[in-house]
Amino acid sequence: GNSVTQMEGPVTLSEEAFLTINCTYTATGYPSLFWYVQYPGEGLQLLLKATKADDKGSNKGFEATYRKETTSFHLEKGSVQVSDSAVYFCALSAGTGGFKTIFGAGTRLFVKA
Amino acid sequence: EPEVTQTPSHQVTQMGQEVILRCVPISNHLYFYWYRQILGQKVEFLVSFYNNEISEKSEIFDDQFSVERPDGSNFTLKIRSTKLEDSAMYFCASSLQAERTEAFFGQGTRLTVV
Repeated sequence: GNSVTQMEGPVTLSEEAFLTINCTYTATGYPSLFWYVQYPGEGLQLLLKATKADDKGSNKGFEATYRKETTSFHLEKGSVQVSDSAVYFCALSAGTGGFKTIFGAGTRLFVKA
Repeated sequence: EPEVTQTPSHQVTQMGQEVILRCVPISNHLYFYWYRQILGQKVEFLVSFYNNEISEKSEIFDDQFSVERPDGSNFTLKIRSTKLEDSAMYFCASSLQAERTEAFFGQGTRLTVV
């Protein structure tokens, strides 16, 4: 079945450090891939998405590239801020196996000033 | 910007009581979902709904759960007889299309069963 695996957290970084959160997926068919962010006490917000191989999704300085050959969608940001502290979820929506969004376990990011 | 709205934001109920969680999806969306997130854990799919019927449901969505779209705007999740383990954040979501498209999530309803 379809699934998403992402690196466990928490990840603790200093402000202006480089961020990478790894995400790999298993899917039948050709999924769309997403990163959602959950700030403390809030709901899930779509951060970025990519719908086909080699697409790069980007938003708010974050980016992720859809790598079909490695079934990966790693999230990166060149310089994190304290305000980026949140839980980040990698997710997919596939055309087969149902059209629900399937989430990874989430990675909590703490950014220290 | 259109958004999914959920009410209430927090509900406390006694074990065995019925609760109804309410959602107003984005107006032109056709697919509706409920997810739950037990504190600090994974976001779990409960059910999807399209054309006034359930499209898919997970193992969690047993006979104690039901969904309804009573009118053209609301989408509800009912838990018939709540258990302590139903305590979680419940998220409603909607999407314009079914396959390979992003879902837009509400802010969630925190359900506490005591």
